[in-house]
Amino acid sequence: EPEVTQTPSHQVTQMGQEVILRCVPISNHLYFYWYRQILGQKVEFLVSFYNNEISEKSEIFDDQFSVERPDGSNFTLKIRSTKLEDSAMYFCASMWLVSSTDTQYFGPGTRLTVL
Amino acid sequence: AQKITQTQPGMFVQEKEAVTLDCTYDTSDPSYGLFWYKQPSSGEMIFLIYQGSYDQQNATEGRYSLNFQKARKSANLVISASQLGDSAMYFCAMRAVQGGSEKLVFGKGTKLTVNP
Repeated sequence: EPEVTQTPSHQVTQMGQEVILRCVPISNHLYFYWYRQILGQKVEFLVSFYNNEISEKSEIFDDQFSVERPDGSNFTLKIRSTKLEDSAMYFCASMWLVSSTDTQYFGPGTRLTVL
Repeated sequence: AQKITQTQPGMFVQEKEAVTLDCTYDTSDPSYGLFWYKQPSSGEMIFLIYQGSYDQQNATEGRYSLNFQKARKSANLVISASQLGDSAMYFCAMRAVQGGSEKLVFGKGTKLTVNP
């Protein structure tokens, strides 16, 4: 069964450093998402991406964040200058079609630790 | 704006018994979708079940069923014949659609512990 994959599974970085989180969505899916889950809290929407541009972004997704689909398979989230409060689990999700019945499928997540 | 409320921070159930996890929602959209995801201790988010607002019947997927009461704005997850492997966090989520894009809005989750 096709699945969303994410690398790395765990990233440790120093405050102020840039990180890139990578995702490979399900191959025929058209819509891509990043969500964040701070430890012990609920999952929060960051950004949605379709047709090579951002469809919607949340208040969390400030100028320090960017997304890119550099080729036909990868979808990346870049944090330019990490802060302590960026420590969280980051989930990538993909979906084939925005419809009343389609489902977002999540990757296993990348746990980001900012020291 | 859409909102999901899960009022049970933790639930306990004996193995082989059924358990209901509560979820209430708030939306002004006439068309919406409700989801349940399972998050084991390993951290991944596993899709369990989906209910559309216009679906006539309650959704079922194996041991999972959704008790959808539209007038009460509730979408409770029922797990029958609980297994030890069901111990996990469970999140209720709602689809929020705006201008052709969509996102999921999550509740705070319920931690389910299945006792042997």
